[in-house]
Amino acid sequence: DTGVSQDPRHKITKRGQNVTFRCDPISEHNRLYWYRQTLGQGPEFLTYFQNEAQLEKSRLLSDRFSAERPKGSFSTLEIQRTEQGDSAMYLCASSLAQGGSSPLHFGNGTRLTVT
Amino acid sequence: DAKTTQPNSMESNEEEPVHLPCNHSTISGTDYIHWYRQLPSQGPEYVIHGLTSNVNNRMASLAIAEDRKSSTLILHRATLRDAAVYYCIPDNYGQNFVFGPGTRLSVLP
Repeated sequence: DTGVSQDPRHKITKRGQNVTFRCDPISEHNRLYWYRQTLGQGPEFLTYFQNEAQLEKSRLLSDRFSAERPKGSFSTLEIQRTEQGDSAMYLCASSLAQGGSSPLHFGNGTRLTVT
Repeated sequence: DAKTTQPNSMESNEEEPVHLPCNHSTISGTDYIHWYRQLPSQGPEYVIHGLTSNVNNRMASLAIAEDRKSSTLILHRATLRDAAVYYCIPDNYGQNFVFGPGTRLSVLP
């Protein structure tokens, strides 16, 4: 179990640029979640996948945000035309859903700074 | 989604037990109660979860009220490494884990 890994750890970009983050979940986990966290706040749900299907998206997720999980393995989160308000920590989590309730395993996040 | 209420902050002395409360009065009958904690500059870490019965693991104990409207996370002997933000989250089969602001626990040496 190598845990959830996220890449890059830090990203600085200029306003208006596009950025893409990658998440590699724990290998046998079928669910993958993306969250965003700003300083002093709890993580805010963005979206989640069951295998390759995106099952839920937050209403807060604007059309500049898109997430994919091809083949149900790793996932990418893309932000187009970044704005300063997008500066945050982006967290990925995975779980093995087998019925019942399964714990989330989080990565250590990608910190995005938009200048 | 069920709403939760937790104290903004709590303090404990090292090596003493800590009881972290959570109110979830709108929880549904099938929602599990999860607890996570987050250390600075890290992602949240799973602590424990349960449905109706009290639960124990190597990290903590979870006491769930009989009416399920509240729960308490118990750290039996707080250490400095337990200083973190603790989140209580109702979960309905992983549909949507909604984090609130949590409780910031400070542990005093």
